[in-house]
Amino acid sequence: EVQLVESGGVVVQPGGSLRLSCAASGFTFDDYSMHWVRQAPGKGLEWVSVITWDGDSTYYADSVKGRFTISRDNSKNSLYLQMNSLRIEDSALYYCVKNGPYTNPGWFDPWGQGTLVTVSS
Amino acid sequence: DIQMTQSPSTLSASVGDRVTITCRASQRISSWLAWYQQKPGKVPKVLMYKASTLQSGVPSRFSGSGSGTEFTLTISSLQPDDFATYYCQQYDSYPSTFGQGTKLEIK
Repeated sequence: EVQLVESGGVVVQPGGSLRLSCAASGFTFDDYSMHWVRQAPGKGLEWVSVITWDGDSTYYADSVKGRFTISRDNSKNSLYLQMNSLRIEDSALYYCVKNGPYTNPGWFDPWGQGTLVTVSS
Repeated sequence: DIQMTQSPSTLSASVGDRVTITCRASQRISSWLAWYQQKPGKVPKVLMYKASTLQSGVPSRFSGSGSGTEFTLTISSLQPDDFATYYCQQYDSYPSTFGQGTKLEIK
């Protein structure tokens, strides 16, 4: 069974930094691109970033470009999101998501349970 | 960036009804579209990909159609478990983008 378990979400002050982690299991991690998707409380889904299977290519939403960095460690089956210069509007539940097979970009399946980031003074 | 627009934003329907949700892309995306269902407090779940391919395990009352810029998700006979929020997502290019969501409510 595919499992994605996020961690690292906390309350942080505006301007602060945070690193989210996602531990993956149940599939061949280095065969797939991996994404972060976020959802602010009571709001819709927003794609944040993707990293290809080998880590060679990354893409970001304009809203986080230059502030967030996605990375992965295939030896540890882990995905990361380094978040700097955090803003109140970055407050959200952050999901780690596996790219679907055969296409890249692709659809998202499955999703982790999410880790909550709250940016507040 | 490709903008995705869903309609309606809210839909009230009854068990047994046939309902359709529309998703429009601001530019052509071929069939690179997925649909997700999200229930309150739960993780989104993929229903459909490549516009009309049903994900394994999803009931056959769900169907998808369209290509280019206009897409639909149809539920042929609503069941109590179907009341949720539905999102479309384009994966033609990055940044991948979602529609704003359609909340399907019990009438």
